[in-house]
Amino acid sequence: RKEVEQDPGPFNVPEGATVAFNCTYSNSASQSFFWYRQDCRKEPKLLMSVYSSGNEDGRFTAQLNRASQYISLLIRDSKLSDSATYLCVVNYIIQGAQKLVFGQGTRLTINP
Amino acid sequence: NAGVTQTPKFQVLKTGQSMTLQCAQDMNHNSMYWYRQDPGMGLRLIYYSASEGTTDKGEVPNGYNVSRLNKREFSLRLESAAPSQTSVYFCASSYRGQSQPQHFGDGTRLSIL
Repeated sequence: RKEVEQDPGPFNVPEGATVAFNCTYSNSASQSFFWYRQDCRKEPKLLMSVYSSGNEDGRFTAQLNRASQYISLLIRDSKLSDSATYLCVVNYIIQGAQKLVFGQGTRLTINP
Repeated sequence: NAGVTQTPKFQVLKTGQSMTLQCAQDMNHNSMYWYRQDPGMGLRLIYYSASEGTTDKGEVPNGYNVSRLNKREFSLRLESAAPSQTSVYFCASSYRGQSQPQHFGDGTRLSIL
């Protein structure tokens, strides 16, 4: 099983729709969780951290389910500018050393 | 505010040539990283430097060397480039360690012929 797994998509949704995707992780000792977005041929940029109680930033809501070992990202009222690849990122501590693992990304296209 | 700056943006090499990718950050971060990104593979860590004066291997270190020149700068060297090293290379930094979010440079697109 991969350390971090995401549905690669692509997800094609109309503008204004709500879209959600999940990411599963294999190590129950994971400490920190993030969502990044990456535009085509650009660098990854931090979208938001994911906190245990869930957190919201404008139209974006991130949730963590430790029992089932997944995190989710919900985008409401999607905009054309939300088209990007969304990377799930999970931190592990293994034998005292920290490791950050990136998922392969979920590609999202918002259609007019 | 420049953030993380990588040079060059693009490079084409012949097999066997050497080159150094440069990275500098102005955010006073302690930790710096080099990744490569290939289609279908996601981001893979090559080397990282938890703090000035230390470097450690990541997931795919073979064929690469690094130097943490000072707190700001972290370079990646290909001693003898191979076609398998054709990739997009990203440098990143974080305040302290891999539990904190990383900030990325805009990448170096490297082609090895």
